[in-house]
Amino acid sequence: DSGVTQTPKHLITATGQRVTLRCSPRSGDLSVYWYQQSLDQGLQFLIQYYNGEERAKGNILERFSAQQFPDLHSELNLSSLELGDSALYFCASSPTGSTDTQYFGPGTRLTVL
Amino acid sequence: GDSVTQMEGPVTLSEEAFLTINCTYTATGYPSLFWYVQYPGEGLQLLLKATKADDKGSNKGFEATYRKETTSFHLEKGSVQVSDSAVYFCALKALQGGSEKLVFGKGTKLTVNP
Repeated sequence: DSGVTQTPKHLITATGQRVTLRCSPRSGDLSVYWYQQSLDQGLQFLIQYYNGEERAKGNILERFSAQQFPDLHSELNLSSLELGDSALYFCASSPTGSTDTQYFGPGTRLTVL
Repeated sequence: GDSVTQMEGPVTLSEEAFLTINCTYTATGYPSLFWYVQYPGEGLQLLLKATKADDKGSNKGFEATYRKETTSFHLEKGSVQVSDSAVYFCALKALQGGSEKLVFGKGTKLTVNP
């Protein structure tokens, strides 16, 4: 158990819909990272927040957005969903802004029908 | 841009066999290198890392040496166990616009049979 929690574990929705994925980092960790894992693209970095502010951006679509709240939990919002958005979405946390040691949550499996 | 190439799996071995999973990278400069492991149904876990050339990372019997001359970071274990069955990811730390991000390889699935 990494100490990072993600909810929900599974999500099934339809194209065009909007969903919110939630992540609680390890106690005391200030950074939260979001990743997308799909069969064709592999594991791709989406975005990082550090202490409430956006720190780094990866291959995140404009339809996706994220935020980190004062209690340090984070949410990833996916809108206008397409079939190709079906994937495992991982959240990770680290104590500082460094990417060297990240602790991954168990992931949220999103299925878009 | 920076990238990581891993040998394609799946890899199937018998218990106590020797394991090598190849990883090469393309990057500007000398990035930190990592191996992560993903057990079935779980998130990734950091297995080992190396931050500069000739460094050897090791953990749980796994080793990898940072070779800048061959831009490689191959993962090895002398005697695998059934419990090592998992997906292994090689990654590098890339610097982009003043911020860091991890770039992962596609992953290599290892199955160890008793």
